[in-house]
Amino acid sequence: QVQLQESGPGLVKPSQTLSLICTVSRGSSSSGGYYWGWIRQHPGKGLEWIGYISYSGIPYYNPSLKSRITMSVDTSKKQLSLKLNSVTAADTAVYYCARETSVAGPQGGVDVWGQGTTVTVSS
Amino acid sequence: QSVLTQPPSASGTPGQRVTISCSGAGSNIGSNTVNWYQQVPGTAPKLLIYSNNQRPSGVPDRFSGSKSGTSASLAIGGLQSEDEADYYCAAWDDSLNGGVVFGGGTKLTVL
Repeated sequence: QVQLQESGPGLVKPSQTLSLICTVSRGSSSSGGYYWGWIRQHPGKGLEWIGYISYSGIPYYNPSLKSRITMSVDTSKKQLSLKLNSVTAADTAVYYCARETSVAGPQGGVDVWGQGTTVTVSS
Repeated sequence: QSVLTQPPSASGTPGQRVTISCSGAGSNIGSNTVNWYQQVPGTAPKLLIYSNNQRPSGVPDRFSGSKSGTSASLAIGGLQSEDEADYYCAAWDDSLNGGVVFGGGTKLTVL
């Protein structure tokens, strides 16, 4: 069973760049039909999709975050990365690494989740 | 404000059947499949239903999903105490401001 593990700093200063890594274990990050990405959850709130990268390297970003996001996949290291720049307190959230399996394009059905990592934006 | 609309809360007694609704638009639920998640506070969400009505391996058949037009529903039969959690619907949105969109979540209380 594929497992996802997020890592990165738990505290980021305002205006800086939030950088997270997701390591894939017991599976491949380059196999077809997979979309790898990030979803976040603000404290006490619902889920917000950040974006995906397809197995072929095509990015899909949340339009409201698109100008601040960079996502990439390193298949040799089996790692997915997220960079979110110019952060503010509004970016404080639990960030989940996620995998969707779909042969018909992304559909919003994440079948594998990381445990989540809490990121706080504060000076 | 979430793109998909869910009731903020629902409740039922053990053994009852509970339904949670999810309302969207033509660009999301009307054009694409619906997924449902269960989230116990403090843990990651778990995929409960995908492609409108399909259950991943391991999900009890007490959970079922349906879709009609721009709305979808999650039904939980034979309610159990461990079903107390937050439930979210999700779908792909084809609009220019689209991507994966979620409902605001429904907190299910087992009385």
